Amino acid sequence: DAMVIQNPRYQVTQFGKPVTLSCSQTLNHNVMYWYQQKSSQAPKLLFHYYDKDFNNEADTPDNFQSRRPNTSFCFLDIRSPGLGDAAMYLCATSRVKASGGANEQFFGPGTRLTVL
Amino acid sequence: SQQGEEDPQALSIQEGENATMNCSYKTSINNLQWYRQNSGRGLVHLILIRSNEREKHSGRLRVTLDTSKKSSSLLITASRAADTASYFCAAPTGGFKTIFGAGTRLFVKA
Repeated sequence: DAMVIQNPRYQVTQFGKPVTLSCSQTLNHNVMYWYQQKSSQAPKLLFHYYDKDFNNEADTPDNFQSRRPNTSFCFLDIRSPGLGDAAMYLCATSRVKASGGANEQFFGPGTRLTVL
Repeated sequence: SQQGEEDPQALSIQEGENATMNCSYKTSINNLQWYRQNSGRGLVHLILIRSNEREKHSGRLRVTLDTSKKSSSLLITASRAADTASYFCAAPTGGFKTIFGAGTRLFVKA
C-alpha cells in the first residue's frame, strides 16, 4: 500500500546532540511537509518542499534544517536539540498543482523525540 | 496565529450519541479539511469541503461550511468508542500551506 513512513518512531537524544529524522513516501507526491506537535496542541508547520523548492516558516528556528534529496525522501535535522524541542514530529505529503492551493495531506505515524 | 479554531476543546459523550464540533477560520479559503488523530499517531484525513459546497457527507460524518460566517462543523452520528480521538480542522493559508486548529478531543464512553 502507498504510504508515508517515518523512522524512527521513537528517538531519544541528549541535549545539544544532533539528530536526524527521516520520512519516505511511496505516493509520488510533489509536496512534503514537516510539522512539530507538542502535547494537546495543533501540529505546527516547520517547513515544506514543493518539489525541490524549500519553504521555511518565518518562526521556524535556525536549529531546524531539512533536506529533500529526491521525491521520495525528506529529512529533518535538528542541529542542537534543546529540551523545548521534545515533541512529536510529523511528516506529511500532498499532491498539488502549481495553480492550486493546499489539498488533503497524508501523514506518517510520527517520530516522538525525547531530549535528555 | 491559528487559521482554524475549534470549539469545544473537549467533548465527552455516550456511545450512540451524536458529536458536533465547530471550527472558525480567519481568511478566505478555497477548501476546509477535517482530520482525526488517535493518541500518539499521525493525522488521518477525513473529509474536504470546497468553498462552493455547503454540506458534505461521508459515512457517519457530516460537514457543513458557512463561508459568510467563516465557520464549519463536523457531526459524527451514532458515535462509537472507536471514534475517541482528537479532531482538527485545517484551512489553507496560501500557497500549499494548511494551518491546523487546536483540535477537539472527543471521548466516547462505551
